[in-house]
Amino acid sequence: DTGVSQNPRHKITKRGQNVTFRCDPISEHNRLYWYRQTLGQGPEFLTYFQNEAQLEKSRLLSDRFSAERPKGSFSTLEIQRTEQGDSAMYLCASKLGGIDTEAFFGQGTRLTVV
Amino acid sequence: DQQVKQNSPSLSVQEGRISILNCDYTNSMFDYFLWYKKYPAEGPTFLISISSIKDKNEDGRFTVFLNKSAKHLSLHIVPSQPGDSAVYFCAAPLTQGGSEKLVFGKGTKLTVNP
Repeated sequence: DTGVSQNPRHKITKRGQNVTFRCDPISEHNRLYWYRQTLGQGPEFLTYFQNEAQLEKSRLLSDRFSAERPKGSFSTLEIQRTEQGDSAMYLCASKLGGIDTEAFFGQGTRLTVV
Repeated sequence: DQQVKQNSPSLSVQEGRISILNCDYTNSMFDYFLWYKKYPAEGPTFLISISSIKDKNEDGRFTVFLNKSAKHLSLHIVPSQPGDSAVYFCAAPLTQGGSEKLVFGKGTKLTVNP
């Protein structure tokens, strides 16, 4: 299967710890996105890469969040000094092409901060 | 400020009947719309889309209608099946300064009863 892959699927961490999530997009897709979803809400945009360039970062992302996409392939999302409010589903999506094409989502990483 | 609104958090229908899920938007710059379906603990899956130059797009049991003057779209599922039970998200791409992201509604949870 060559869909979008996210690891880990679940992560439980203590408040104050750092966590890192990985996303492997569909191989030929040049656009990669991170979203966050909390209960009762739709996915909320976090950041966008076109190839290796990070073109937009949401105001939702505090200084504790950083994302990278080295060489325009896989991407990582790191959260430093986690807080309970960071508990959410973190979704990665990728696409090839313009505004009139669909984005393909991974299965997400469920983060629980205790 | 929600640019994409799904005002019905839930909908319950009988198997074989029609399901109608509604979505309203406020940004007149939106010109493409997508519906995603999400099962628990999985990422959203693309279902169907529509361009603003059309007022209807059909794919099997799924039809999306767009009323630009009312800034309203709807997803019709007929006949509804128990496997359609999921959360449905309406989304629109937003482009700003070289970046692009999806703006999602809060979702409608559809339950199809056998």
